[in-house]
Parts: sequence; C-alpha cells; structure tokens
Amino acid sequence: SQQGEEDPQALSIQEGENATMNCSYKTSINNLQWYRQNSGRGLVHLILIRSNEREKHSGRLRVTLDTSKKSSSLLITASRAADTASYFCATDEDDKIIFGKGTRLHILP
Amino acid sequence: DAGVIQSPRHEVTEMGQEVTLRCKPISGHDYLFWYRQTMMRGLELLIYFNNNVPIDDSGMPEDRFSAKMPNASFSTLKIQPSEPRDSAVYFCASSFMGFTEAFFGQGTRLTVV
Repeated sequence: SQQGEEDPQALSIQEGENATMNCSYKTSINNLQWYRQNSGRGLVHLILIRSNEREKHSGRLRVTLDTSKKSSSLLITASRAADTASYFCATDEDDKIIFGKGTRLHILP
Repeated sequence: DAGVIQSPRHEVTEMGQEVTLRCKPISGHDYLFWYRQTMMRGLELLIYFNNNVPIDDSGMPEDRFSAKMPNASFSTLKIQPSEPRDSAVYFCASSFMGFTEAFFGQGTRLTVV
C-alpha cells in the first residue's frame, strides 16, 4: 500500500530558485518523513516531523505539516545543482515506513 | 559503522533460477526493511523484521519470495524461481525503534532475463 502521494511528479527549476514539493496522505499519522534519492543510490533521510508539529527547519529545508488537510510540503530554498534528485515523503503505518512515488527535481544551471 | 551493506550490487539471472539477496544492517538497529523499487510501482515494502522476527510480510508478492533474518547482523531475500517481472532494484534499510530515520543500503539491481 502507498500512503503518501507526492505532487508534482516532476519539477524543473533554475539554480537559485526555491523548490516546493507536496505530499498528501490518506489516514492519520504519528510522524511524516522526507527522503532524497540520488540517481542509482539508496534513499537518504532528510527530516522527520511529528504530528503535533506544524513546521520544521533543517538548513535550506523547510517542512510543513497540516494534519487537518492530511498534507505536507517540502521547501528547498536557494536550490543548487546538487539538489537534483527524487524526493519522497514517508508515513508511518504501525512501525512500517510507507513511501509515496516521489517528485523528480531537476535543477537547471 | 559502514552503513547498511547489500550484496550483490548487480545480479543478472535467467528466468527460473534462484536468486538470493543479502543485507547487513547497521549494528544496534532493531528494525530491518526490504523494499522493491520499480518505475511503475515506486517503492514497495515487501517485509520487515523487528529483533530478527518477521512482523509483516503482506507486501511479499508471491510464495516465490521468502526472507529470513537468522541473526541481528544478517538478512536474506530469496526469489525462487525468478521471473522477468521480478526485475527491479531491491533495497534493504534498517532503523532503531521503528518509524525513525531509516538508513538504506545502495540496493541490488536485479535483472531476470
């Protein structure tokens, strides 16, 4: 089963611009995570936000969570070429980590 | 710690052959997850273990798939017999205390011809 659904599926922006990705999910959650996957590599954890938190920052990343709308967003500010990757949201189902299909982000030079 | 280690990195096999994928989780982690990634279906959770015990294998597609975790430092995912539709990248991940940060291996790219 896939809980989270990322939007858009693909995004291309100029280097230096901000990138926003959204995630919607179906059932109640305790926590939500965001991961990055570079081409041909495993996923790397970016940030975890708990259901009682509304916003969290980590460096150039800002994550918001709206449990009433069952949605989350990931904002990457001042994008760089190295940010080119796929980004996934992950929700908890008991102790399971369930991923969406991801957003492919491409940073144009 | 070297992180989650998977082997082999690439596997090409003929239809009908047995395939065994291996995973060494991070020492001290008590959860281990096996995922399959394809373009069509994304990342699917196949099975996960807690303290070496399989907790949920509802994602295992068919009886051809089996997974074991004989001890805290080793797990295998076996496909027997393999079919072309099993071609995918298989990831192993481990974490401490369930839904916390999961650490992924580099994956095994399986091609069944």
